[in-house]
Amino acid sequence: EVQLVESGGGLVQPGGSLRLSCAVSGFTLSTYWMHWVRQVPGKGLVWVSRINSDGTTISHADSVKGRFTISRDNAKNTLYLQMNSLRVEDTAVYYCARGLLMNTFDIWGQGTMVTVSS
Amino acid sequence: DIVMTQSPDSLAVSLGERATINCKSSQSVLYSSNNENYLAWYQQKPGQPPKLLIYWASTRESGVPDRFSGSGSGTDFTLTISSLQAEDVAVYYCQQYYSTPLTFGPGTKVDIK
Repeated sequence: EVQLVESGGGLVQPGGSLRLSCAVSGFTLSTYWMHWVRQVPGKGLVWVSRINSDGTTISHADSVKGRFTISRDNAKNTLYLQMNSLRVEDTAVYYCARGLLMNTFDIWGQGTMVTVSS
Repeated sequence: DIVMTQSPDSLAVSLGERATINCKSSQSVLYSSNNENYLAWYQQKPGQPPKLLIYWASTRESGVPDRFSGSGSGTDFTLTISSLQAEDVAVYYCQQYYSTPLTFGPGTKVDIK
């Protein structure tokens, strides 16, 4: 079964850091682009970051550029999102998603909640 | 950035009736070299992650019922549910993948009348 499982979310103070992980199973991670998308509960979807299949091409939304870093370890079947200098407005559910045709999202994890609050 | 808008914000449709959701992009998402529209549709039910329904504006993802169809080109797109079922109650989002940042519409909530 194709599956994405996020972990690493939690409560953090403004200015703090978190590292999200996304463990994949049921498919070969190295053949897919991967993404992070976030959603404030009750609100819409916002794309955060993407990484190509071998990790050489990375893009981030302007709102997180310079603070968040997406990475991957294909040998460990895991996608990461390092989040530094967190802000209250980063509070959201963070989903990892597999890229179909690179930039649509055909498989999603269940999400991990990140709460930035003092 | 390409801004996506959707209308209506919400709609209520009787079971078995047609539901139509519109999506508009601030610039064309039609790529001239392959004549494809870089537009996808997603369904999100409460407490669940989104589910891909349609890509290339009109190609149904595997396993998606054929009552869901997408149409349109350039900047104007439509998602149609031909005969609404109870399990279709959800929020529907369009998304452009023509350029980064990848952007979503604000969503349209579909309920049963």
